[in-house]
Amino acid sequence: QVQLVQSGAEVKKPGSSVKVSCKASGGTFSSYAISWVRQAPGQGLEWMGGIIPIFGTANYAQKFQGRVTITADESTSTAYMELSSLRSEDTAVYYCARGDAPIAVAGTEYFQHWGQGTLVTVSS
Amino acid sequence: EIVLTQSPGTLSLSPGERATLSCRASQSVSSSYLAWYQQKPGQAPRLLIYGASSRATGIPDRFSGSGSGTDFTLTISRLEPEDFAVYYCQQYGSSPGTFGGGTKVEIK
Repeated sequence: QVQLVQSGAEVKKPGSSVKVSCKASGGTFSSYAISWVRQAPGQGLEWMGGIIPIFGTANYAQKFQGRVTITADESTSTAYMELSSLRSEDTAVYYCARGDAPIAVAGTEYFQHWGQGTLVTVSS
Repeated sequence: EIVLTQSPGTLSLSPGERATLSCRASQSVSSSYLAWYQQKPGQAPRLLIYGASSRATGIPDRFSGSGSGTDFTLTISRLEPEDFAVYYCQQYGSSPGTFGGGTKVEIK
């Protein structure tokens, strides 16, 4: 049974960075893409980007290009999402998510498995 | 990128009634790579349907999906109390995968 466990809530100042982790268990880590999806308060879901650990290269939604970095550590089966230059509009719950089949490009899969979410609050 | 428009924004129905949710894409969704999720307050989304019409593991058969091209539908045949939630569609046929804005199904 695949399980994704995320790091805890964060409170950050505008202009700073945040790094959220997502530890996977219960399955093969390297061959499956891990994506990051965020949800602002009362809003919908937004795909930010993803990585296929065995390839090591991430791809990002255009909106977040230059501000987000997604990495993966195969030795610990953990994916990371770092968002920089934080502003109040980045206040959201950030989810990691994974599908059930190996794919070639992160973001082109449906998400069977989700982390519990990490609330990131950006406030001065 | 493909834009998904969900309608209606809110659906007010009673338990036992049928719910029909729509998801329209700005361009054709490749190979019917369309998924539906249910989300309850404070919870992560739960996958209901993938490939436009295939139910995910453990999903009751009162949930069904249909459609192709640019028009997709999620139908809940008879609403149970636990079905009142927000529903999102997602296309994953082309990168970046995108989500619709959601439909809230509320108790009338």
